[in-house]
Amino acid sequence: SAVISQKPSRDICQRGTSLTIQCQVDSQVTMMFWYRQQPGQSLTLIATANQGSEATYESGFVIDKFPISRPNLTFSTLTVSNMSPEDSSIYLCSVETREGEKLFFGSGTQLSVL
Amino acid sequence: GIQVEQSPPDLILQEGANSTLRCNFSDSVNNLQWFHQNPWGQLINLFYIPSGTKQNGRLSATTVATERYSLLYISSSQTTDSGVYFCAGSARQLTFGSGTQLTVLP
Repeated sequence: SAVISQKPSRDICQRGTSLTIQCQVDSQVTMMFWYRQQPGQSLTLIATANQGSEATYESGFVIDKFPISRPNLTFSTLTVSNMSPEDSSIYLCSVETREGEKLFFGSGTQLSVL
Repeated sequence: GIQVEQSPPDLILQEGANSTLRCNFSDSVNNLQWFHQNPWGQLINLFYIPSGTKQNGRLSATTVATERYSLLYISSSQTTDSGVYFCAGSARQLTFGSGTQLTVLP
């Protein structure tokens, strides 16, 4: 398994501002992902964070709104830009281990936008 | 993409009872996983089980890939089992079901 540190754990932000969430893994991993969990809902994949290249976004998510960086195999950031109350959600970093296809999650970032 | 349906949506048990959670998927998958999200929001991977049966303590899971379903069994439930159980399946990227909210009463 992998130990995934995500920060901040929670934040309250004003409409129109941006927040950058960091994800640090204790070992090199090939695949890193960012998910969103809206209140009381299931998880939706935002994008796959690709090391050294642009992230791969799922339908309904765009780079201008959710820019992602992945400078190396252990670190990634997700920025939620120009926030509105509809962006209030839990944002989760996840990784697949090299050994197989198990998915592991960070502890999440609880974002509230006023 | 595939559709993942979970049942039941809610389940309330008395401590010590057994339960079965079901996950149906709309198409063939080569990856099927079960997760538990505890009341504090942390997601724990319970099983990676694209086919066959696995057991881990009081939990076990069975996936019948040819019939496109998976089952999660919880035996002798404890209050710490409370939370939301998600299954997720994929042929490419994981798609999560809507979850089963489990409440175990002391």
